[in-house]
Amino acid sequence: EDQVTQSPEALRLQEGESSSLNCSYTVSGLRGLFWYRQDPGKGPEFLFTLYSAGEEKEKERLKATLTKKESFLHITAPKPEDSATYLCAVREGKLTFGQGTILTVHP
Amino acid sequence: EPEVTQTPSHQVTQMGQEVILRCVPISNHLYFYWYRQILGQKVEFLVSFYNNEISEKSEIFDDQFSVERPDGSNFTLKIRSTKLEDSAMYFCASSVGYTFGSGTRLTVV
Repeated sequence: EDQVTQSPEALRLQEGESSSLNCSYTVSGLRGLFWYRQDPGKGPEFLFTLYSAGEEKEKERLKATLTKKESFLHITAPKPEDSATYLCAVREGKLTFGQGTILTVHP
Repeated sequence: EPEVTQTPSHQVTQMGQEVILRCVPISNHLYFYWYRQILGQKVEFLVSFYNNEISEKSEIFDDQFSVERPDGSNFTLKIRSTKLEDSAMYFCASSVGYTFGSGTRLTVV
């Protein structure tokens, strides 16, 4: 069975304090690792898809990287508006989601 | 930017009643999905739909659930006899999962 584990469960940062979120996965045939942002009461908002080890993608203050066993979402100089739950999911046909990391950025 | 539209945004229903959740996926996409998220828990896959047929479903998607594409634009999820444990956010997604709708919050009382 596919497993996706995200850590930490919650992360509190000061504005400007860079950090990383982790997504560890086990899947027999990875067809993409997805990162989403989810605001309270809203649907997941697509951020990135990574397909192969070594791949990196960037968007504003976010950078996603992928290895054979895990993915990292690096947040550089975060702002309060980056506060949200960040979800990762692996695709083997359907998407299997992790529990998410709740990020809070204090001004 | 193309959107996936879901209605209603919030539905309250009595236990045992039937509910229909509606989605308008992105028009030129071929794959459609339903996911749900119980409060405080993971987003869970329910069913995928391609070419007017179910292509994959989870253990959650039992005989109480059904999906339909009644016309060229709408995609519906029906729960025949709702239970308290069906209370959750239900999300429609279009084409793999790049685009999710904003969800329907279903509350069963």
